[in-house]
Amino acid sequence: ETGVTQTPRHLVMGMTNKKSLKCEQHLGHNAMYWYKQSAKKPLELMFVYNFKEQTENNSVPSRFSPECPNSSHLFLHLHTLQPEDSALYLCASSQGTAEAFFGQGTRLTVV
Amino acid sequence: QKEVEQDPGPLSVPEGAIVSLNCTYSNSAFQYFMWYRQYSRKGPELLMYTYSSGNKEDGRFTAQVDKSSKYISLFIRDSQPSDSATYLCAMTTLYSSASKIIFGSGTRLSIRP
Repeated sequence: ETGVTQTPRHLVMGMTNKKSLKCEQHLGHNAMYWYKQSAKKPLELMFVYNFKEQTENNSVPSRFSPECPNSSHLFLHLHTLQPEDSALYLCASSQGTAEAFFGQGTRLTVV
Repeated sequence: QKEVEQDPGPLSVPEGAIVSLNCTYSNSAFQYFMWYRQYSRKGPELLMYTYSSGNKEDGRFTAQVDKSSKYISLFIRDSQPSDSATYLCAMTTLYSSASKIIFGSGTRLSIRP
């Protein structure tokens, strides 16, 4: 089992649907991140949480809503997405340093 | 101008060759530099990190930072087919939890047997 687990691994949703991505880290880290990875583009930082508090929102549209109930769990709630939001969504965590450990990602397709 | 520039490749070399992967950056405040490897359908995994200028070696991998030129490199010696992956450079100004890490777009590397 990897240190950072993401579910589901794949998700297809319509533009009017509401869905949630889940991330759980088993490493005892205090910081958690959401990144978006699109083809041929750099990883885009979306949100950062440190000790459950959001410390970074990188101008992400409100159709993406993060939730961090505790230091081990992170959610990304999705609603009324657009086809251009189709991408690999990666969760990561870190502890005391900038070295981030990533999950396997959720491949999201918006139809 | 992007904060971090990385040649997307693809780069194809024969097994056993020395591979050189590079990134340039524009923000002189970056102090911590990382290389990640990402296999197909997987999340990125941390390979190496370095602080400020200089070299760091780990087995067949050497990371090099030249802050005066705003240029970082990853060298892979005796390359193996298992090294075939996308390599992402990353950097940040602050080496602490919840740091804002900026990534390059990644270089796809293929090692031919």
